[in-house]
Order: sequence, then C-alpha cells, then structure tokens
Amino acid sequence: QSALTQPASVSGSPGQSITISCTGTSSDVGGYNYVSWYQQHPGKAPKVMIYDVSNRPSGVSNRFSGSKSGNTASLTISGLQAEDEADYYCSSYTSSSTHVVFGGGTKLTVL
Amino acid sequence: EVQLVQSGAEVKKPGESLKISCKGSGYRFTNFWIGWVRQMPGKGLEWMGIIYPGDSDTRYSPSFQGQVTISADKSISTAYLQWSSLKASDTAIYYCARCGGDCYEVDYWGQGTLVTVSS
Repeated sequence: QSALTQPASVSGSPGQSITISCTGTSSDVGGYNYVSWYQQHPGKAPKVMIYDVSNRPSGVSNRFSGSKSGNTASLTISGLQAEDEADYYCSSYTSSSTHVVFGGGTKLTVL
Repeated sequence: EVQLVQSGAEVKKPGESLKISCKGSGYRFTNFWIGWVRQMPGKGLEWMGIIYPGDSDTRYSPSFQGQVTISADKSISTAYLQWSSLKASDTAIYYCARCGGDCYEVDYWGQGTLVTVSS
C-alpha cells in the first residue's frame, strides 16, 4: 500500500506552534481511530508521541497533541523547544493484511 | 517493563545469508504481533511485515514478499528477520516493533540493528 503523505519539512521558532499533517484515505486514516505519531532523533529508535489519534503515552509532554479530520491527521507541537528538532512519522491502521502503514516522515527544524 | 532487545550490528558481503533477532520481555510474547521496519540510510520508515508468535501467522508488505523471511520462536520469546542472499541495497537499520491489539499501531520499539552489505 502507498505511504501516508506528510510534508517533507516544517520549521518554527522557539515558543511557536507548528502542525504536521498526515493524509491518507478512507482505508486507513479516515477509516479508523488508530493514528500514531513517532519522534526520531538522529541515530535513535523512534519514540511513540501520540497513539489512537490524540492520546499521549505517560511521560510525553502535553505540548504534543494529535487530531484527525476526515482522511487527514495532524500533530501539533506548541511552545517549540530546541529538543523537539527531529524527524516525525505518522502511522495508521489499514485494511491491508499487514495492518500498518507509515507516512514518509517530516523533518522539523527549530530555528 | 516491556522491552524488545535486538541482536547486534552485522557486516556482510553480497550473496551471504543473515538472520537477525528481536527478544521480547516484560509481557506475554505470544499475545502481541511483532513487526519489522526498514530504514535505509537517510530515508523513512518502511513496514516490512508482521508475525503473531502465538500461531506464527505471518504477513508481508508487497515490497518485501519473497525478499525476506519473518519467523518466531515462542519458546524463547524471539522473533527473527532473515535473508538468504543479501544485496547491497539491503544496507539499512532494521527495527522490530510490538503492535498493540490486532496490530493497530506500534507501542514499543527495539533499539535497531544496523545491517551493512558491502563487498
């Protein structure tokens, strides 16, 4: 199946808010409330930041929030900090047999 | 505490075989799907396939069908990813990941295994 569509890059200044979009279809993002977001710093394994569209795992800052409208999910990071600079990936449950599809990733730069 | 611990980095020549591992602990290994993810140098995450250790039900993403084999040994809570004949294009970091529920989404990641294939 095709990857979910994310912008290649976004940027923001410290203290600002940014939003990363993740667009799929009715067979994945639009059809299920199983969208996750992962943060990956260089040389590190991905880390779960949001699951089930808008839930945060224990220990994840409340500056991170998720939402969904139709076939597009979004990750919003408020009060940007230098440590937020990383790659961000979305994923969704999909009706295909392998169950999961990823987005292409978005590089966040904190100016 | 849930942990997925992967085997160490590998350096191989084209045409060689390889099997890397992912050992789960801190949960009932047979009750959760394990997925494998490829990340080629400087690229994004690619979902390769999944296995349910309880009954070894295995599914492959179309791009990886026939290219790799996913297996598991539930007696030692370990999943595997193997190649019979490596290519230079297999050079990548490979992550194992646990899926929650009916593999709705990843909830835990392994630390990754770097596989380098070079003559």
